[in-house]
Amino acid sequence: EPEVTQTPSHQVTQMGQEVILRCVPISNHLYFYWYRQILGQKVEFLVSFYNNEISEKSEIFDDQFSVERPDGSNFTLKIRSTKLEDSAMYFCASSEIAGVFSNQPQHFGDGTRLSIL
Amino acid sequence: AQKITQTQPGMFVQEKEAVTLDCTYDTSDQSYGLFWYKQPSSGEMIFLIYQGSYDEQNATEGRYSLNFQKARKSANLVISASQLGDSAMYFCAMREEHNDMRFGAGTRLTVKP
Repeated sequence: EPEVTQTPSHQVTQMGQEVILRCVPISNHLYFYWYRQILGQKVEFLVSFYNNEISEKSEIFDDQFSVERPDGSNFTLKIRSTKLEDSAMYFCASSEIAGVFSNQPQHFGDGTRLSIL
Repeated sequence: AQKITQTQPGMFVQEKEAVTLDCTYDTSDQSYGLFWYKQPSSGEMIFLIYQGSYDEQNATEGRYSLNFQKARKSANLVISASQLGDSAMYFCAMREEHNDMRFGAGTRLTVKP
């Protein structure tokens, strides 16, 4: 079964450094998402992306964050000048279609655990 | 304001028994979708079941069923015949007309042998 792939599985970065988290969504999916889960807390929506542009973002997704689809397969989340509170599990997800009537779930990758030192 | 409320931070169930995980939601939209995800200790998010706001039947997927009570805005997950492998965090989530998914705080289920 096709799956969402995230790399690396664990990233350790010094505070203030830039980090890029990488995702390969399922190939026929058109909608892409990033979520964050601070240890022991709930999953929080960051951003959704469709047709090469951001379709929605949460209040967490400030100027420090950016997303890009540099080619036909990768979807990246960049965090500039990381802070200690950016330490979390970051999940990429994709879906074939979106919309409230869609019963198509968002398929999640296994996550990248980001540790800021 | 919380969109999704899961009031049970932790639940225990005996193996082979059924368990209900509570979820209530808040929306003024008429059209929305409700999802349950399982997160084992390994961390991945696994989709379990979906219920659309206009679906008249409660959703079922194998041992999972969703007890959807629209007037009460609740979408409880029922797991029948619990197995040890069901021990995990369970997240309820909602997708509204113009929003992407919002998750509840989760319920940690422990299945006891």
